[in-house]
Amino acid sequence: QKEVEQNSGPLSVPEGAIASLNCTYSDRGSQSFFWYRQYSGKSPELIMSIYSNGDKEDGRFTAQLNKASQYVSLLIRDSQPSDSATYLCAVKATGNYQLIWGAGTKLIIKP
Amino acid sequence: GAVVSQHPSWVICKSGTSVKIECRSLDFQATTMFWYRQFPKQSLMLMATSNEGSKATYEQGVEKDKFLINHASLTLSTLTVTSAHPEDSSFYICSGDPGLAKNIQYFGAGTRLSVL
Repeated sequence: QKEVEQNSGPLSVPEGAIASLNCTYSDRGSQSFFWYRQYSGKSPELIMSIYSNGDKEDGRFTAQLNKASQYVSLLIRDSQPSDSATYLCAVKATGNYQLIWGAGTKLIIKP
Repeated sequence: GAVVSQHPSWVICKSGTSVKIECRSLDFQATTMFWYRQFPKQSLMLMATSNEGSKATYEQGVEKDKFLINHASLTLSTLTVTSAHPEDSSFYICSGDPGLAKNIQYFGAGTRLSVL
């Protein structure tokens, strides 16, 4: 069964520090990887997508992908209290259009 | 990013009634739409995948006669919860995939259903 694993947290990070979120996946054939942010009571919103090995930066966010090791990570620089949310890792399943979702990591940024 | 509109955002109904939830892609054509359910403090659970003009594909354990999905156009998909019961109370979220080979799903705001 195809799986995506995340540490459920909560991960507590001081304001201004770097938050590091990790995700591993089992489907070696996966080619598309996503990080979504979900605030309590709200629906997920896309933060980053990454398709190639290496780093992809967008503002304070950097996604890192290592297909050989089957992990994808998200770094948040200069963490703000507004970054406090649950971060969901999603991986496109091979053979269809579905995304396989991790259970999410709850991130808490302490002022 | 692309915009998906979902209505209603919140609905309370009596046990035994049916509830329809609409999901519209406002600025793109959604070849594929997805319906999820999320219980408190749990992750997203895919209920079904719908493609315009064809029958939805339901995930194992999801009753297709209870959760009716219609994807009549490239911009509209509906989920009808028939004969709702309290155990159907949950947060229902739709998403659309523009089909641009990037496999990105854009989510509606979600519908919180409470069945009394």
